[in-house]
Amino acid sequence: TQLLEQSPQFLSIQEGENLTVYCNSSSVFSSLQWYRQEPGEGPVLLVTVVTGGEVKKLKRLTFQFGDARKDSSLHITAAQPGDTGLYLCAGPRSAKIIFGSGTRLSIRP
Amino acid sequence: NAGVTQTPKFRVLKTGQSMTLLCAQDMNHEYMYWYRQDPGMGLRLIHYSVGEGTTAKGEVPDGYNVSRLKKQNFLLGLESAAPSQTSVYFCASSATGTGSYEQYFGPGTRLTVT
Repeated sequence: TQLLEQSPQFLSIQEGENLTVYCNSSSVFSSLQWYRQEPGEGPVLLVTVVTGGEVKKLKRLTFQFGDARKDSSLHITAAQPGDTGLYLCAGPRSAKIIFGSGTRLSIRP
Repeated sequence: NAGVTQTPKFRVLKTGQSMTLLCAQDMNHEYMYWYRQDPGMGLRLIHYSVGEGTTAKGEVPDGYNVSRLKKQNFLLGLESAAPSQTSVYFCASSATGTGSYEQYFGPGTRLTVT
């Protein structure tokens, strides 16, 4: 059972376009995290959202935590080739982290 | 600070051989984790440790053993490698306190078993 479902699995868009990636669960999480993984490297933490309804911005990236703390979204404005990578959402369960299956994003110049 | 480091970066094993992957962190984190990442499978937890001298099984523990003799080190062992263990292995650590267990990853070890 995949506790965290991400959509879409793959996304290829033109530079300058906007996009949204979704992370959904039927379970409540105390917080959700977003990571970005570039080819040949380990995932890097981008942000943690903690409060239901919370919105956090990281330059052109906007992260939102659902009011019920069961879902989150990542919106990228004016995508650039440097945004290319695998985006993973994750949530804590006891001392462990549950990862979503990821969204592989490709930005074409 | 080096963060999380992994040794080696690449390794090729023959079926049946053994090896140990070393993970070290200099952030004084209590928790450490070993994951494997296969194409299309995402990150899967192998074993984890919530403190020195303690280990626990994750989602896919079979064929692996771990030890946490020192707080800063977490070792992953393969006693008899199988082709199904060809993968990229990531170590991560996290601090306690916030309850979020944010993961700090190493650069990975790419293992091929022939």
